[in-house]
This record gives sequence, structure tokens and C-alpha cells, in this order.
Amino acid sequence: AQTVTQSQPEMSVQEAETVTLSCTYDTSESDYYLFWYKQPPSRQMILVIRQEAYKQQNATENRFSVNFQKAAKSFSLKISDSQLGDAAMYFCAYRSARNKLVFGAGTILRVKS
Amino acid sequence: NAGVTQTPKFQVLKTGQSMTLQCAQDMNHNSMYWYRQDPGMGLRLIYYSASEGTTDKGEVPNGYNVSRLNKREFSLRLESAAPSQTSVYFCASSGRTALIEKLFFGSGTQLSVL
Repeated sequence: AQTVTQSQPEMSVQEAETVTLSCTYDTSESDYYLFWYKQPPSRQMILVIRQEAYKQQNATENRFSVNFQKAAKSFSLKISDSQLGDAAMYFCAYRSARNKLVFGAGTILRVKS
Repeated sequence: NAGVTQTPKFQVLKTGQSMTLQCAQDMNHNSMYWYRQDPGMGLRLIYYSASEGTTDKGEVPNGYNVSRLNKREFSLRLESAAPSQTSVYFCASSGRTALIEKLFFGSGTQLSVL
């Protein structure tokens, strides 16, 4: 069964600094997708970034980028120039070829001004 | 507005009562999901439906049943509620439009079982 592990329950970053959130996953599949979602206190789930496993190039979306290491089954999220609005719970997620979508336990990100 | 509609938003049950959480999406998505969210445990997959007519167990299916009534609707039923089922429940749907993949979540149901 696929599992997703986020080893950092909570992280803090100073405004304008860079922070990296860790995620590892376990799978025997070769074709899959990986995601980072942001959940603010409103409980809405917001897609931050996605990565297709067959793509070697790391995905980037403005201040958000990932470090995808397929062999190591690692998918970390880097947030550059952190802003107060980045404070939220962040979830790493794995989706199999059969559309099973599994989430990690989440990392609470606090941004200090 | 297009999206995932989940009802009810809040529910209080007594142990042993039954209820059905309703979920509907109007985006013509094939895949639909039910999750529960508990502190420190993230979103755990209860059941999912990869397409109309199919359902599969997720990580924590015990005590739940689902029905994919049609392409739009995916309901979650608690036959005999237990305090361990106190949680926030999220329905989600996913699909591909113009080669862009999207995942949408409902606004959640806060369920308390006394």
C-alpha cells in the first residue's frame, strides 16, 4: 500500500526567508503524481504544486518549488521569500495510476514577522 | 459556482445512530473521494471511486459504506456511529480538463458522536 510520511509536525520561518518541508513516500508503482496542498484555517484545500513522476524536471510555481528525488522517494517543498499568508497546514499527497489519493499527516507552517 | 457540495456542515449523533453524508460535484469528474481529518493524522482516505460504478477501500474503511449513485454523487454512510468516528469529513473529486488535472474539496462536515 502507498504511504506518505511528513516527518515535521511543525515548522517556523522568518518572513522573507526560505523554508523546506519534507515528504517521503513509499510505492512500488512507476507511474504516479505527487502534490503539495495548503490548508488555511478556513479548511479549504488549495493546490500549491504538482509533479508527475515521469518528469525529471522539478516543478516550480512562483515562490514554490519542489525537489523530487524519485529513487529516494522524496518530494520536498521549498518556499522562498516566505510571506505571512503562507502560514497554514501543508499536506503532501500521492496519487496512484488507479486514482487512489493518499495524504501525509501534514506540517504546520508558522511565519514570523 | 462549480465545485463540490457536501452536506451537512455539522452533525451531532448519539452512539449507534446512523447517517449519510452527501457529496455532489458538477464538474463531470470521474474520481471521487471521502477522507476524514483528525489532529496529527492528516487526511486519511476512507473510500474512493475511480469512476462511476466502482468503489474501493482506502486506509480506514471500517465502519463506513459508500455509494457512487451516479457520476455526480458519492455518499458516505455510517451504519452505527461510534465516538471514534468523531472527525471532520471531506469529500473530494478530481478530473482532467484540457490536460490540466484538478482536485476539488468540499467544505467539510464536522461530525461529533457522543
